[in-house]
Amino acid sequence: GDSVTQMEGPVTLSEEAFLTINCTYTATGYPSLFWYVQYPGEGLQLLLKATKADDKGSNKGFEATYRKETTSFHLEKGSVQVSDSAVYFCALSLNTGGFKTIFGAGTRLFVKA
Amino acid sequence: DADVTQTPRNRITKTGKRIMLECSQTKGHDRMYWYRQDPGLGLRLIYYSFDVKDINKGEISDGYSVSRQAQAKFSLSLESAIPNQTALYFCATSDARGGSETQYFGPGTRLLVL
Repeated sequence: GDSVTQMEGPVTLSEEAFLTINCTYTATGYPSLFWYVQYPGEGLQLLLKATKADDKGSNKGFEATYRKETTSFHLEKGSVQVSDSAVYFCALSLNTGGFKTIFGAGTRLFVKA
Repeated sequence: DADVTQTPRNRITKTGKRIMLECSQTKGHDRMYWYRQDPGLGLRLIYYSFDVKDINKGEISDGYSVSRQAQAKFSLSLESAIPNQTALYFCATSDARGGSETQYFGPGTRLLVL
């Protein structure tokens, strides 16, 4: 069935380090792909999205490219900040054969000063 | 003001009690959702509604019911709460007119069932 798998956390980095959070998906149709971020005590909010193959989503220095050949949507940032500490969720959305949005389990990121 | 609000933000209840969690939105979206979040499991869909007359079960609807009172309001009820319903509950909305189903989340309700 349709699913999203993302790397387990927590991920701990020093400030200004490079970040990669891996996300792969399985889907029967052509999904849209999303990264959401959850800061402590808050709900999820959209970080970036891509709606078709080879699209690159970007926001706040984060980027992810929709790779159909590897069914992946890895999140990257060149230089993390303490304020990036949060939980990151990869998700897919499908609207074929009925509505479906599936979230990954989430990856907690800690950034140390 | 927040676009998606949830009440209460925290709730402690006892096994067997009926409780209701409420969600309101000012985004004008037709689609509304209820999720629960458990550590290590991500978000799981409980129910969703695409308009006032449309209610659909999600992945984990057993033990829950919903009511869509208006376009802006979507309530989740636990008819007889049990301890394994202790979780963080989120309401969300979306507007699929853009075609990509971005969801907008409320701040969550933390529920503890004793």
